[in-house]
Amino acid sequence: AQKVTQAQTEISVVEKEDVTLDCVYETRDTTYYLFWYKQPPSGELVFLIRRNSFDEQNEISGRYSWNFQKSTSSFNFTITASQVVDSAVYFCALSGRNQFYFGTGTSLTVIP
Amino acid sequence: AAGVIQSPRHLIKEKRETATLKCYPIPRHDTVYWYQQGPGQDPQFLISFYEKMQSDKGSIPDRFSAQQFSDYHSELNMSSLELGDSALYFCASSLAQGFSGNTIYFGEGSWLTVV
Repeated sequence: AQKVTQAQTEISVVEKEDVTLDCVYETRDTTYYLFWYKQPPSGELVFLIRRNSFDEQNEISGRYSWNFQKSTSSFNFTITASQVVDSAVYFCALSGRNQFYFGTGTSLTVIP
Repeated sequence: AAGVIQSPRHLIKEKRETATLKCYPIPRHDTVYWYQQGPGQDPQFLISFYEKMQSDKGSIPDRFSAQQFSDYHSELNMSSLELGDSALYFCASSLAQGFSGNTIYFGEGSWLTVV
């Protein structure tokens, strides 16, 4: 079965703190893709990153970094020096052959 | 860069009425997806189209129908609206069939409120 689990429902941090959002996935596919999307209060879904199952190289983009570990089926997302504008719901997603699965999302609140 | 365009952005309908949402994908994207997101929930896949043909079907109610036109824009028609249909409806697009790994880009969503 395909499944994405984001165990953290809500997280609150004080501005400038680092925060890591966890994502654990299940799949029987050997080729799959993992994504992170951000949904700010305005509602739109903003694409952040895509990672394929053969590429375990971690990625850093500005204050964002992603840690993909196949051994633990995890694709965690870290925001360094968080800012108020980072407040949003973050969705991890998995795509396989015929489906695109979202996790239930983690609501991040950055307190000024 | 051009994004996925959805209209209308906000819509209020009464129970048992009909609503139509429109979606214009990113230029050259040939696949369109519709998602429904209830309050506090993750987006749920409704239906997708590839090259104007239905390619996948998710949890779309029988009261809903959709199609993709020759210019690749898509419309989601919702009839006999119920209070539970109140949600944020996303359209998304991708090149080829995104479930195989191409990135799916979402529009800003259409807020439907059924009263």
